[in-house]
Amino acid sequence: GAVVSQHPSWVICKSGTSVKIECRSLDFQATTMFWYRQFPKQSLMLMATSNEGSKATYEQGVEKDKFLINHASLTLSTLTVTSAHPEDSSFYICSARDRMTGQETQYFGPGTRLLVL
Amino acid sequence: AQSVTQPDIHITVSEGASLELRCNYSYGATPYLFWYVQSPGQGLQLLLKYFSGDTLVQGIKGFEAEFKRSQSSFNLRKPSVHWSDAAEYFCAVGAVRSGANNLFFGTGTRLTVIP
Repeated sequence: GAVVSQHPSWVICKSGTSVKIECRSLDFQATTMFWYRQFPKQSLMLMATSNEGSKATYEQGVEKDKFLINHASLTLSTLTVTSAHPEDSSFYICSARDRMTGQETQYFGPGTRLLVL
Repeated sequence: AQSVTQPDIHITVSEGASLELRCNYSYGATPYLFWYVQSPGQGLQLLLKYFSGDTLVQGIKGFEAEFKRSQSSFNLRKPSVHWSDAAEYFCAVGAVRSGANNLFFGTGTRLTVIP
């Protein structure tokens, strides 16, 4: 149980284009999903917290107009990197919290590697 | 402010040897503590967690961790390491903010296992 998937697993795009990354909770409902960014050999940095049916909460320094987050259902959150630039290249990981357990455990997706040329 | 320190960037152990990965945290209230493992190019897998109760918690893959409030530590241990344990290990503290919970991660400890 508690499986989270991400799609795509990797993506290469041209500078200036937009990329959408999906995060799905496969066997549970997630009222809250989180988006992290991880640079090579570094830790995870929380970008934003996504709540179903409401606007995402962004961490300081994260541009909300560049990283659009939509949490349209209890099992799906999307992160869209708009007008991507090479410095946006990174490993993006989502996580989800199971609304039924009521505990603060996050289950992580396998990550999406983005390379912007 | 919350923070997590993993003082060891890289640890090398022989297969079959015991392992201890250190984690110290700073948090203004009782923390929720987690250990995650990440294999290269993969997401994070939860090894174990501490919310309350018994301070020695058992996890998957033979790992355990002990919460020591007096030392603000949550060290991860395994009595006998297997080659498949080679990975990056992250300690995390759970925080409460605006009704949601988010995690603050340490910088990770990379474990190398030699035959």
